[in-house]
Amino acid sequence: EAQVTQNPRYLITVTGKKLTVTCSQNMNHEYMSWYRQDPGLGLRQIYYSMNVEVTDKGDVPEGYKVSRKEKRNFPLILESPSPNQTSLYFCASSSLKGQENIQYFGAGTRLSVL
Amino acid sequence: GENVEQHPSTLSVQEGDSAVIKCTYSDSASNYFPWYKQELGKRPQLIIDIRSNVGEKKDQRIAVTLNKTAKHFSLHITETQPEDSAVYFCAAGDDKIIFGKGTRLHILP
Repeated sequence: EAQVTQNPRYLITVTGKKLTVTCSQNMNHEYMSWYRQDPGLGLRQIYYSMNVEVTDKGDVPEGYKVSRKEKRNFPLILESPSPNQTSLYFCASSSLKGQENIQYFGAGTRLSVL
Repeated sequence: GENVEQHPSTLSVQEGDSAVIKCTYSDSASNYFPWYKQELGKRPQLIIDIRSNVGEKKDQRIAVTLNKTAKHFSLHITETQPEDSAVYFCAAGDDKIIFGKGTRLHILP
């Protein structure tokens, strides 16, 4: 089954404690992206990656890091989380071939930073 | 930078009536325009998309129209049903996709 898997689904942490949210896709997609969703602000892109070892900033990259060492994985790293990073996070992936760039979303990770 | 504006932010329609959501975009290089539906507590899921070489696309009760000259596109839902209640997001782009802020659609009984 084609899917995008995020872990964990829920996370409560404290300010300054480094954390990583993992994202994995099994569709051999080139493109992967991280979004945060906050009430009234829609889906804002944090970082995206067009392929292995290629990453670019989205609209709200401050306070986040990503890596793309393998095609299937695109972890989101918060080196020193702060309360304003409390949000719902979605990972998504899509193909860049031809007309197949439908984005498939993971189930989401709800993060609370105390 | 690139921007996608979506209106209205909230929309209430009587069951059976039509709903229209409108979006405008700023990047003239955009050639892919998807619409996503997000039900409460769930992930966004694609409901319909359109590419810049097409002016209109229809799938049962939903349709999307695109005006590239004016840089706007719209989602039309006809014969609305209770299960259409959700948040709808438009998006525009090419390799990089920018999302609108969403429209919360309420279908009234």
